[in-house]
Amino acid sequence: ETGVTQSPTHLIKTRGQQVTLRCSSQSGHNTVSWYQQALGQGPQFIFQYYREEENGRGNFPPRFSGLQFPNYSSELNVNALELDDSALYLCASSFGSGSVNEQFFGPGTRLTVL
Amino acid sequence: AQRVTQPEKLLSVFKGAPVELKCNYSYSGSPELFWYVQYSRQRLQLLLRHISRESIKGFTADLNKGETSFHLKKPFAQEEDSAMYYCAPGPNAGNNRKLIWGLGTSLAVNP
Repeated sequence: ETGVTQSPTHLIKTRGQQVTLRCSSQSGHNTVSWYQQALGQGPQFIFQYYREEENGRGNFPPRFSGLQFPNYSSELNVNALELDDSALYLCASSFGSGSVNEQFFGPGTRLTVL
Repeated sequence: AQRVTQPEKLLSVFKGAPVELKCNYSYSGSPELFWYVQYSRQRLQLLLRHISRESIKGFTADLNKGETSFHLKKPFAQEEDSAMYYCAPGPNAGNNRKLIWGLGTSLAVNP
């Protein structure tokens, strides 16, 4: 069984640029959730994808967008980067979109915006 | 928004002492709550979920609807329990529901 993987591990961008982060879900999982974790904060829910469709969204602007592919891997895209977007971005996969399903987290991508 | 709050940023106890990490939630209905743990240099991982009513690594958590709390307890803390603990609402199952995790409590168990 393969765990959740994320790429890249670290990324440095400048304000105004665009970034794409990638996540491969754990084998057998069809749901991916994305979180932003700023330094010293708890993870904040960005959105969730279930069977290739967005299935709920947190309090993030439209410049945060995502995709889920037929193999259930996922991308998080952020346009017009701002300094406050600097954070650890976590991806979590689960089987089914139900609230009681355990999420398995990836190691995260550390994004720094200069 | 489905919000949980953890009032303590840092909790320090001695080995063998009881420990309680507090979590309160502020939404109505039937909340689905989890405790996640992150040990040093490891990924976030599930510790326990309220629906299972289980004990994991000696930890238990009871959902108290009257007090809207889901505190995490362990009668005798061990040094290996030192970690960051997050109280979290369950993964979103509906539309446009905003899930707000607690800020986390750093537990330090001293020898």
